[in-house]
Amino acid sequence: AQSVTQPDIHITVSEGASLELRCNYSYGATPYLFWYVQSPGQGLQLLLKYFSGDTLVQGIKGFEAEFKRSQSSFNLRKPSVHWSDAAEYFCAVARGGGGNKLTFGTGTQLKVEL
Amino acid sequence: DGGITQSPKYLFRKEGQNVTLSCEQNLNHDAMYWYRQDPGQGLRLIYYSQIVNDFQKGDIAEGYSVSREKKESFPLTVTSAQKNPTAFYLCASSIRDQNTGELFFGEGSRLTVL
Repeated sequence: AQSVTQPDIHITVSEGASLELRCNYSYGATPYLFWYVQSPGQGLQLLLKYFSGDTLVQGIKGFEAEFKRSQSSFNLRKPSVHWSDAAEYFCAVARGGGGNKLTFGTGTQLKVEL
Repeated sequence: DGGITQSPKYLFRKEGQNVTLSCEQNLNHDAMYWYRQDPGQGLRLIYYSQIVNDFQKGDIAEGYSVSREKKESFPLTVTSAQKNPTAFYLCASSIRDQNTGELFFGEGSRLTVL
């Protein structure tokens, strides 16, 4: 069965610093991978996705992620964090078998210090 | 504006009472989903529906029921059989069968059982 691990529960960075959020997946075939962001008390918004091709994918709000098959990882990065990036970030993998059923990681809470 | 509307945003109920959470979308999406979110556990799939009058159990369907009588609506009932119903519930929709992973989420309903 597919699974997603986000090893960092909380991360704190200073505004303007770079950011990397870790995500490791377990999936037998080529995975479809996603990063979503959730502001407090809100629903989730898709940041970016990887299906195939270029392993570095660009998303909204200046985020990017790199797929590394050898490490089973799909880490999210941003070169310079803004205070408005404070939120919870979820990595997810599509289950396949039709439909957009996703398996989500447990999330990483990002705090930005001014 | 197109989107997903969940109501109510906050709900308090006594133990043993059934509760119905509303989810309406005007995105013309065929597929709809219910997820449950608990702190530190990410999102878990309760039920999903890919077409009107059809739905399937997700990973944690016990104690929940759904209906899909209209394309726009996918209400979730939390029954008294659900042992630990206090949680944040998220409804989502997507284009059917494209496996794009792009789920559009509502803002959630927070249920507290006293």
